[in-house]
Amino acid sequence: DVKVTQSSRYLVKRTGEKVFLECVQDMDHENMFWYRQDPGLGLRLIYFSYDVKMKEKGDIPEGYSVSREKKERFSLILESASTNQTSMYLCASRDRGWTEAFFGQGTRLTVV
Amino acid sequence: AQKVTQAQTEISVVEKEDVTLDCVYETRDTTYYLFWYKQPPSGELVFLIRRNSFDEQNEISGRYSWNFQKSTSSFNFTITASQVVDSAVYFCALASGGYQKVTFGTGTKLQVIP
Repeated sequence: DVKVTQSSRYLVKRTGEKVFLECVQDMDHENMFWYRQDPGLGLRLIYFSYDVKMKEKGDIPEGYSVSREKKERFSLILESASTNQTSMYLCASRDRGWTEAFFGQGTRLTVV
Repeated sequence: AQKVTQAQTEISVVEKEDVTLDCVYETRDTTYYLFWYKQPPSGELVFLIRRNSFDEQNEISGRYSWNFQKSTSSFNFTITASQVVDSAVYFCALASGGYQKVTFGTGTKLQVIP
């Protein structure tokens, strides 16, 4: 079974802090994604990566950056956390081609 | 640009009723895939089905069925004889483009009342 693991289930950070959300997948997938989920807005794509060290902006990249130094790991970085980044963050991975994505359990981030 | 619209925000049905969740999509690509995911209260999204743009054949899997119509850009999901365990948020998604970027709809929250 594909497993996508996010480092934290719940996280509370202060405004202005630099925040790292980590995601690891164990199925050698080419593609990895970060989404945020907010009530009424569904899942919105922040960034995705189709290979090591490669990244593409999604629909809402402002205030975020990403890092993919190894194929299995995709990190989301909030350079200076703000209260409007309080949200559920979902990581996903997908093999090459038109395959389905597999999701982690999500990280609920609260910025105070 | 690609877009997925799920106009139904919340639906409540009584157990054993049939329910249809609507999904309308927009894309300029001729090759694309459509997906449905289920998000139960535990939070983790579960893949249900994938459909490509060249296959309009409807699909049935147990109590679940999907109706794909390119003419109306719709990919609707029907649950027959709903059960309480079907209570969840359901997302429709579209993958297209060079990087096969996946765009999700806003989700439909289904509540099945015993």
